[in-house]
Amino acid sequence: SAVISQKPSRDICQRGTSLTIQCQVDSQVTMMFWYRQQPGQSLTLIATANQGSEATYESGFVIDKFPISRPNLTFSTLTVSNMSPEDSSIYLCSEGTADHGYTFGSGTRLTVV
Amino acid sequence: DAKTTQPTSMDCAEGRAANLPCNHSTISGNEYVYWYRQIHSQGPQYIIHGLKNNETNEMASLIITEDRKSSTLILPHATLRDTAVYYCIVRVATHTDKLIFGTGTRLQVFP
Repeated sequence: SAVISQKPSRDICQRGTSLTIQCQVDSQVTMMFWYRQQPGQSLTLIATANQGSEATYESGFVIDKFPISRPNLTFSTLTVSNMSPEDSSIYLCSEGTADHGYTFGSGTRLTVV
Repeated sequence: DAKTTQPTSMDCAEGRAANLPCNHSTISGNEYVYWYRQIHSQGPQYIIHGLKNNETNEMASLIITEDRKSSTLILPHATLRDTAVYYCIVRVATHTDKLIFGTGTRLQVFP
């Protein structure tokens, strides 16, 4: 299975600023996914990112707040824009398909102050 | 979308088998059942998945009922390192292959 390197592992940011999270996969993958995990909660899917097309966002998430890039088959970024304390969460990327399973990055722990 | 129901929490003695149940009564014929676990502050870890037949790997066994409306994840000899939140997930049958997480079962293995 693929290995995903995610960075940064954690960050403390000022409100109103933006943070870009990067995920690098060690092989070419079609589907990549971005999740948010709020404190004490389960994972919530933010969006699905296919290379060469616009990301597909889940209900409650918008591109202006969480722009995603997918420039090639091994890389994706998620930006958390105009941050507020409510954005403090763990953000995770993932790749995979139902037939072959899914791999997750180690997560980015974001604290907004 | 097929949903899953899991107990909020379970305890298990170290060395004993941990049996984690999951109900997925609205599962469709082409939807897989996946199990992942998340150890504190880490990304979810794949455990096992299946479609119809029972499955076994080095980590666990997955027992799926004949009607596919429920399943059980079995950790045959639980250790303290198996303490984690365990998620039973039914793959959403859309072209995006997205994986939707429920609330999971918090398994506490005690000495």
